[in-house]
Amino acid sequence: EPEVTQTPSHQVTQMGQEVILRCVPISNHLYFYWYRQILGQKVEFLVSFYNNEISEKSEIFDDQFSVERPDGSNFTLKIRSTKLEDSAMYFCASSESLAGTDTQYFGPGTRLTVL
Amino acid sequence: AQTVTQSQPEMSVQEAETVTLSCTYDTSESDYYLFWYKQPPSRQMILVIRQEAYKQQNATENRFSVNFQKAAKSFSLKISDSQLGDAAMYFCALSADGLTFGKGTHLIIQP
Repeated sequence: EPEVTQTPSHQVTQMGQEVILRCVPISNHLYFYWYRQILGQKVEFLVSFYNNEISEKSEIFDDQFSVERPDGSNFTLKIRSTKLEDSAMYFCASSESLAGTDTQYFGPGTRLTVL
Repeated sequence: AQTVTQSQPEMSVQEAETVTLSCTYDTSESDYYLFWYKQPPSRQMILVIRQEAYKQQNATENRFSVNFQKAAKSFSLKISDSQLGDAAMYFCALSADGLTFGKGTHLIIQP
């Protein structure tokens, strides 16, 4: 069964450094998403991406964050100048069609630890 | 703005019994989708069941079923014949572009 994959599974970085989290969505999916889950809290929407551009973003997704689809398979989340409060699980998801009408399938997540 | 509320931080059920997890939501959309996701200790998000708001019939997936009350904006999950592997955090979610999640219910299965 096709699945969303994410690398690395765990990333440790120093405060102020830049990190890139990588995702490979399901191959025939057209919509891609990033979510964040701070430990013990609910999952929060960050951004959605379609046709090589951001379709929607939350207030969490400020100038510190950017997303990119550098090739036909990868979807990345870049966090510039990381802060302690960026420590969280980051989930990538993808859906075949428009989010409101289709199921989003989640990757296993990347645990980001900022020291 | 959309909101999803799960009022039960934790629920406990005996193995083989039935448990119902509550979820209420608010949205101004007339057409939307609702989901239940399961998050085991591995923290992977696994889809359990989904419901289209325009469908009156409640969705079912094997031991999992929902009670969708559109007028009341309620979307509860019933797990029948609970198994040890059902132990997890369960999140209710509402679709827009991105999903809006509730805070989750921690389900404990007592052997």
